[in-house]
Amino acid sequence: EAGVTQSPTHLIKTRGQQATLRCSPISGHTSVYWYQQALGLGLQFLLWYDEGEERNRGNFPPRFSGRQFPNYSSELNVNALELEDSALYLCASSLEPHTDTQYFGPGTRLTVL
Amino acid sequence: GDSVTQMEGPVTLSEEAFLTINCTYTATGYPSLFWYVQYPGEGLQLLLKATKADDKGSNKGFEATYRKETTSFHLEKGSVQVSDSAVYFCALRSGRTYKYIFGTGTRLKVLA
Repeated sequence: EAGVTQSPTHLIKTRGQQATLRCSPISGHTSVYWYQQALGLGLQFLLWYDEGEERNRGNFPPRFSGRQFPNYSSELNVNALELEDSALYLCASSLEPHTDTQYFGPGTRLTVL
Repeated sequence: GDSVTQMEGPVTLSEEAFLTINCTYTATGYPSLFWYVQYPGEGLQLLLKATKADDKGSNKGFEATYRKETTSFHLEKGSVQVSDSAVYFCALRSGRTYKYIFGTGTRLKVLA
């Protein structure tokens, strides 16, 4: 069974541009979570989607947004990129919101120059 | 609000040494507790979990016991290997909001 996949692996953008990151959950998983892992910091919760709806949001500005598609894959969009947005962005999925375990993808390394 | 506090790293040990990585939490209700491991260049992998007080999670020689009285979930391994070198994250999942809270991670380096 395929795990959580993310694309691209690396993404290089310049300040002010927009970035789009993609995530495909494990087959059958309906919940998708996005986290930011900046250098030297732990994981910061960004967004949680379930059944196509945004269920919860972390303390990030509105220029971080996303969506979940009918096949449960998800996109994270970051507008007006700033240097401090450089980080590893991790996606995780779970079978349903009320189950315990999140399974993580390998991440997308975003570098903002 | 809910929070997780882990010991700061890096932790450097010799092969076959005993490992303890401390983790304490604050939470309302009855959270589930987790340890995740991140190997270099990879995403996070679930190492073990415990869903209620006094539960012991174990995997690959690692163990952690859910201690409600001390609000702790310390990770232990009796004999570490070089291949255990990674970053370890303690996390809780709120029983109320289902939101995950992660600690800042502890880097472990095991020397041959």
